[in-house]
Amino acid sequence: SAVISQKPSRDICQRGTSLTIQCQVDSQVTMMFWYRQQPGQSLTLIATANQGSEATYESGFVIDKFPISRPNLTFSTLTVSNMSPEDSSIYLCSVGTGSPTGELFFGEGSRLTVL
Amino acid sequence: AQSVAQPEDQVNVAEGNPLTVKCTYSVSGNPYLFWYVQYPNRGLQFLLKYITGDNLVKGSYGFEAEFNKSQTSFHLKKPSALVSDSALYFCAVRDHLTGGGNKLTFGTGTQLKVEL
Repeated sequence: SAVISQKPSRDICQRGTSLTIQCQVDSQVTMMFWYRQQPGQSLTLIATANQGSEATYESGFVIDKFPISRPNLTFSTLTVSNMSPEDSSIYLCSVGTGSPTGELFFGEGSRLTVL
Repeated sequence: AQSVAQPEDQVNVAEGNPLTVKCTYSVSGNPYLFWYVQYPNRGLQFLLKYITGDNLVKGSYGFEAEFNKSQTSFHLKKPSALVSDSALYFCAVRDHLTGGGNKLTFGTGTQLKVEL
């Protein structure tokens, strides 16, 4: 399984600011995803990070709010823009092989608190 | 569309007793089913998956899960619970027909509490 490192692990942010979360994988991976886990809730997929092209966003998520980069097969960033308290969540990077039978592997998550 | 339901927010069990965490699913085609565990302040860890074949699959830490197509269920089980099993458990599904875009759809999670 891949080793996935996320930075920062946690942060406290002020309303209106933006924060970029980094995800580094120790091997090349086909698929990278960003999930959000709001307090006491399940995981919701934000987007699929596509290498060399624009991310594919799920319904309810837009690029202006959650810009994503994926410059290569081992690295991706998620920015949470113009944050409000409602953005307080755990953001999880996830990777997969691209096989429909394959499991996903997750980073430790980035816990953001917006004041 | 693919979806997963975990009907219990919390399950309490005494150490040494068997445990069951319930999961039901809905997909258009055949399902690929997964269980994950999340310990406090940690990411998700993969436990086991059902793709095809034997309905009883075994995974990490002594957990197993039983796939039941007629009941569209994939319940997680362990014969003898440990206090260290206390965590948040997620069931997830991917639709065989569409591949779900390779993404997983997660249930709402079940908090397992194992007490002495």
